[in-house]
Amino acid sequence: IAGITQAPTSQILAAGRRMTLRCTQDMRHNAMYWYRQDLGLGLRLIHYSNTAGTTGKGEVPDGYSVSRANTDDFPLTLASAVPSQTSVYFCASSDTGVDTGELFFGEGSRLTVL
Amino acid sequence: GQNIDQPTEMTATEGAIVQINCTYQTSGFNGLFWYQQHAGEAPTFLSYNVLDGLEEKGRFSSFLSRSKGYSYLLLKELQMKDSASYLCALMDSNYQLIWGAGTKLIIKP
Repeated sequence: IAGITQAPTSQILAAGRRMTLRCTQDMRHNAMYWYRQDLGLGLRLIHYSNTAGTTGKGEVPDGYSVSRANTDDFPLTLASAVPSQTSVYFCASSDTGVDTGELFFGEGSRLTVL
Repeated sequence: GQNIDQPTEMTATEGAIVQINCTYQTSGFNGLFWYQQHAGEAPTFLSYNVLDGLEEKGRFSSFLSRSKGYSYLLLKELQMKDSASYLCALMDSNYQLIWGAGTKLIIKP
């Protein structure tokens, strides 16, 4: 049982470099999300996708882009990384046909931008 | 606007009961969630309340009062493995989740 897989689990990156965080789910969930988690703050939504082919901006979208070419994959790209993007990034999915809307999270990608 | 408040940290004793409170302000409400997150791991779903009252699930219970903008998570018969952060999250009128900063629960023997 895989659920959601994120890669890489950890990365150190020089400022200005481009970086793509990968996220794949095998649950056939229609909705997917990218969050960042910083100490002392709640999870903050970066981008989301309610279904393949559509994406939307969350609370903190600047500096990030996403695509949803198919149901399973939802990569997050940092076009030109900055130190303020140092964070733990979580990908999540949900079956919006279920009343609870429970989110299933990947194990996270710890990104350090120097 | 929307706002969620929960205590930053709590300490409890193994075998005891602890109540973690969450208060919120929102213009739209479609449910309240509790998640558990162990250090260095992903959050995992604990409970969902959309109607007022208590939802019991084993050692964990969650309560909601929509009129008071208040929820709590009750953990009974605490075990050392319950040491974790507990995240309160509000589903707003657009069905997006707004997250509290989490309550770090420390269990002592």
